[in-house]
Amino acid sequence: LAKTTQPISMDSYEGQEVNITCSHNNIATNDYITWYQQFPSQGPRFIIQGYKTKVTNEVASLFIPADRKSSTLSLPRVSLSDTAVYYCLVGRTGGGGNKLTFGTGTQLKVEL
Amino acid sequence: GAVVSQHPSWVICKSGTSVKIECRSLDFQATTMFWYRQFPKQSLMLMATSNEGSKATYEQGVEKDKFLINHASLTLSTLTVTSAHPEDSSFYICSARDTVNQPQHFGDGTRLSIL
Repeated sequence: LAKTTQPISMDSYEGQEVNITCSHNNIATNDYITWYQQFPSQGPRFIIQGYKTKVTNEVASLFIPADRKSSTLSLPRVSLSDTAVYYCLVGRTGGGGNKLTFGTGTQLKVEL
Repeated sequence: GAVVSQHPSWVICKSGTSVKIECRSLDFQATTMFWYRQFPKQSLMLMATSNEGSKATYEQGVEKDKFLINHASLTLSTLTVTSAHPEDSSFYICSARDTVNQPQHFGDGTRLSIL
């Protein structure tokens, strides 16, 4: 399983764009990159998933360079409610075909 | 869509009791379900993977006789913590997916406290 490395914590202010980068040097050809958000005492919530280049949905964008050894989750104009732990996961067939290995995640703190 | 419901959300019981946790996929068929455990301020740790109609596959170090998993239908999996002890106190989370190319969707977890 590809191991991921993320910053342990990040701080931001309301209205700013936040970019969280994840390194996954050993990503395999069939691996997808998936990001989850987790609030205290809740299960992780799916944010976005991608394989290469750029993926965008209503809440975030995911940038994946050509070598796929890293990825960046971009959260536009964060608010206080975006304070949470963000996990980057890499796995085969969308991260769901085989088991997921959760790393330490990034604790994002958004302030006024 | 892709809603996973987990019940109960919170359990407190005496040492030696067996506790059953249910995980249901409400609007899709979950061919595979996963069970995780999360201790305070730590990441999620996968305990086992179960496919509908098959025996669960347990991760190394997880006792299959203590953590009984049943996945008898495409919408329901259960985790039973047998003869629970205080060290089993944790946050248990399930997830489910339908096809292999879809991401896992998680329930909201069960806080288990053993006195």
